[in-house]
Amino acid sequence: DIVMTQSPDSLAVSLGERATINCKSSQNLLYSDNKKNYLGWYQQKPGQPPKLLIQWASTRESGVPDRFSGSGSETDFTLTINSLQPEDVAVYYCQQYYGLPITFGQGTRLEIK
Amino acid sequence: EVQLVESGGGLVQPGGSLRLSCAASIFKFTTYWMTWVRQAPGKGLEWVASIKQDGSEQVYVDSVKGRFTISRDNAQNLVYLQMNSLRAEDTALYYCARVTVDSKYRAFDIWGQGTMVTVSS
Repeated sequence: DIVMTQSPDSLAVSLGERATINCKSSQNLLYSDNKKNYLGWYQQKPGQPPKLLIQWASTRESGVPDRFSGSGSETDFTLTINSLQPEDVAVYYCQQYYGLPITFGQGTRLEIK
Repeated sequence: EVQLVESGGGLVQPGGSLRLSCAASIFKFTTYWMTWVRQAPGKGLEWVASIKQDGSEQVYVDSVKGRFTISRDNAQNLVYLQMNSLRAEDTALYYCARVTVDSKYRAFDIWGQGTMVTVSS
């Protein structure tokens, strides 16, 4: 199985500042045929289902604010949230869909400092 | 509005069975793989199973193979998860989700609110 490891487990950032969440895969997620990284990022607010923010490591979903951005390739990925807003308080998960079983990181809890 | 609504959760004894349903209001339901993901209380996300558009292929996480069966009714826009031989570790909130585009190797772009399954004596 592909193991996804996020860091840190929790993070406190001041409003208006930048939050950075890392995700490391135990295997290369870059598919050579299409040059795409099979990596997604999700946001889960308390009492809500997860919401897809980014797929293919860096493609933001429609309606997702542009302060959210994804980067990285192969085994190392980053979710960056610029100018943190109160509504960004949530748990964030990375997910690999390169191989089965599809696996998620353990989650990173983001709070306001 | 694209929507997924799960039902069928509840309290069941170890060794018991339960069938979850997911009703989809998606215009082209038959063009998507569908999936179930679960989340134990206070824990992270775990993919459980996915099913192909026409129901001809199902894939599962090892921990539920032989116990859970995913199926779909394309005429009714429904996805099911039949859960047998339930264990305490199956206790979780079960989400139904849509797999983007046309492959099982894709992200999950639409999620339901989930239905809670509790396995306890």
